[in-house]
Amino acid sequence: RKEVEQDPGPFNVPEGATVAFNCTYSNSASQSFFWYRQDCRKEPKLLMSVYSSGNEDGRFTAQLNRASQYISLLIRDSKLSDSATYLCVVNQVDRGSTLGRLYFGRGTQLTVWP
Amino acid sequence: DTEVTQTPKHLVMGMTNKKSLKCEQHMGHRAMYWYKQKAKKPPELMFVYSYEKLSINESVPSRFSPECPNSSLLNLHLHALQPEDSALYLCASSLGQVVTGNTIYFGEGSWLTVV
Repeated sequence: RKEVEQDPGPFNVPEGATVAFNCTYSNSASQSFFWYRQDCRKEPKLLMSVYSSGNEDGRFTAQLNRASQYISLLIRDSKLSDSATYLCVVNQVDRGSTLGRLYFGRGTQLTVWP
Repeated sequence: DTEVTQTPKHLVMGMTNKKSLKCEQHMGHRAMYWYKQKAKKPPELMFVYSYEKLSINESVPSRFSPECPNSSLLNLHLHALQPEDSALYLCASSLGQVVTGNTIYFGEGSWLTVV
């Protein structure tokens, strides 16, 4: 079983649409959560951290449900420039270790068309 | 623009060559990472250095040899690679190792092709 599971998509939506991505993680001891964005042939860039209370940054809203081990990202009023792969990333401390590491989902591809 | 700088951006090497990838950051970060990414796959962790000491080696073949000369620099020495090692190699850094949830920042990556 993978540590982080994501629907790979692709999601193809028109400009202005609202789109939601989901992610589940397997380890209940996971400590922190992020969404990264990766453009084609570029490096991943942090989009936003995800907090238990939920958080919003402009058109982007992230939610975390620790009980269900579920993370979501909502993009409202999609722009052409939102086209990218969105990576769900979870930080956890491995059993028997005091050091954390990041686990990446396989990414969800989004294409926004005019 | 990323504050993690990687060189070279592109590298083509033969299977008998020895080459190195270099990474530099001046953000005062004490944890540095090497990831490997194949097309349409997420990044895979290779090595983690914490305070200039190797803290994680994800069972990477010895043809990849990391080196951390100081807190700002991270190298990846390559020798006798195979064509299947062709990938995007990403360097990253964070304030401390991510046990506390520190944000990790990636460099633009080095595209490696082994012929």
